[in-house]
Amino acid sequence: DTEVTQTPKHLVMGMTNKKSLKCEQHMGHRAMYWYKQKAKKPPELMFVYSYEKLSINESVPSRFSPECPNSSLLNLHLHALQPEDSALYLCASSRQGLPQTYNEQFFGPGTRLTVL
Amino acid sequence: SQQGEEDPQALSIQEGENATMNCSYKTSINNLQWYRQNSGRGLVHLILIRSNEREKHSGRLRVTLDTSKKSSSLLITASRAADTASYFCATDTQGGSEKLVFGKGMKLTVNP
Repeated sequence: DTEVTQTPKHLVMGMTNKKSLKCEQHMGHRAMYWYKQKAKKPPELMFVYSYEKLSINESVPSRFSPECPNSSLLNLHLHALQPEDSALYLCASSRQGLPQTYNEQFFGPGTRLTVL
Repeated sequence: SQQGEEDPQALSIQEGENATMNCSYKTSINNLQWYRQNSGRGLVHLILIRSNEREKHSGRLRVTLDTSKKSSSLLITASRAADTASYFCATDTQGGSEKLVFGKGMKLTVNP
């Protein structure tokens, strides 16, 4: 299995809702990432988990809460989001945990999030 | 922060032609990677070139790296309509954080 899966594909939520995004990989990768991508912009790193521990938080607002239950799963819990949080949320994984170089990242198809 | 910057921002060519995209970056790097993204989808890794390498090939792709000029180029030969996508370069930061920073991206359209 050489893919990263993400669910759901699309999500529409109100500003008072609580929802979660899910990411899964079965490649034995030890680093997992959350990115946010706005239309016609590059992906922006949000969080990095390395060996199931949060290694990097790019000063992301607390309304985004990541969780790594095990080495294959990565969740992003959403609460009290704003309309400007609407974006494509991408999950990725890479073989080695941090510190690492020479690592390609494998991306999931993303979750298209719309906040009303 | 923005590290890589692709040039041109958009390119439209005919099938069979070659497409060249350039990427410039500001700080020293360990490696530079190129990714492709089809519309609204996830990114696909194309090729990784290390800072001590000057050129790398993968199928119809050729990547060069000039660390003295802090620039890289991606050449796609004999382009196909299926190559239509956005292309991003991504760099890490030597001696700094291990995260990737993506360039602004370049939209390639290959017309059949």
